[in-house]
Amino acid sequence: DAKTTQPNSMESNEEEPVHLPCNHSTISGTDYIHWYRQLPSQGPEYVIHGLTSNVNNRMASLAIAEDRKSSTLILHRATLRDAAVYYCAHIPGGGADGLTFGKGTHLIIQP
Amino acid sequence: GAVVSQHPSRVICKSGTSVKIECRSLDFQATTMFWYRQFPKQSLMLMATSNEGSKATYEQGVEKDKFLINHASLTLSTLTVTSAHPEDSSFYICSASSGGYGYTFGSGTRLTVV
Repeated sequence: DAKTTQPNSMESNEEEPVHLPCNHSTISGTDYIHWYRQLPSQGPEYVIHGLTSNVNNRMASLAIAEDRKSSTLILHRATLRDAAVYYCAHIPGGGADGLTFGKGTHLIIQP
Repeated sequence: GAVVSQHPSRVICKSGTSVKIECRSLDFQATTMFWYRQFPKQSLMLMATSNEGSKATYEQGVEKDKFLINHASLTLSTLTVTSAHPEDSSFYICSASSGGYGYTFGSGTRLTVV
């Protein structure tokens, strides 16, 4: 069973911020929270990951709840190229475990 | 950044034949690689974990004799779909952990069995 819960789809307008939520209530204390996105017929692309503190990179920001049972991926200014399926996952650090993906959120960007 | 190269991108094969898919880490060494399968409009499902120099670990329900995995070097893992049937038609994707940058995925292989 998927360990994360995300809305099936979300819609936003171009150049507006987008907040994509993820619930991961079964997360353990040492699991990292990862976000990936996938375009049709392509492999997923890494977006961001974090452990406890909020994280920022050139693609997005990751806001992690204090109890770590949920997180929010923030796209500060959506573009048409951000339209994709976004997946969150949690996994132990170290890279020895594969990711378990939920159903993801299909993000639609309106021009 | 880390790059994972996957080939072929598309393959069509006849039922009963075998198909090999290659996954290479181009600029980093990957002691562990992962293979996923994705059916249309569904999420990725982890099939197996490939460890360099040892046997792969398969997820529950994945037939190890049908999906042969070889990880002979730190930069190459292969997935062979043996005696392929139409129900094996799917999108196969590999990935590897690239240290502190999360997981890097290949571009995927669209397998069609006719």
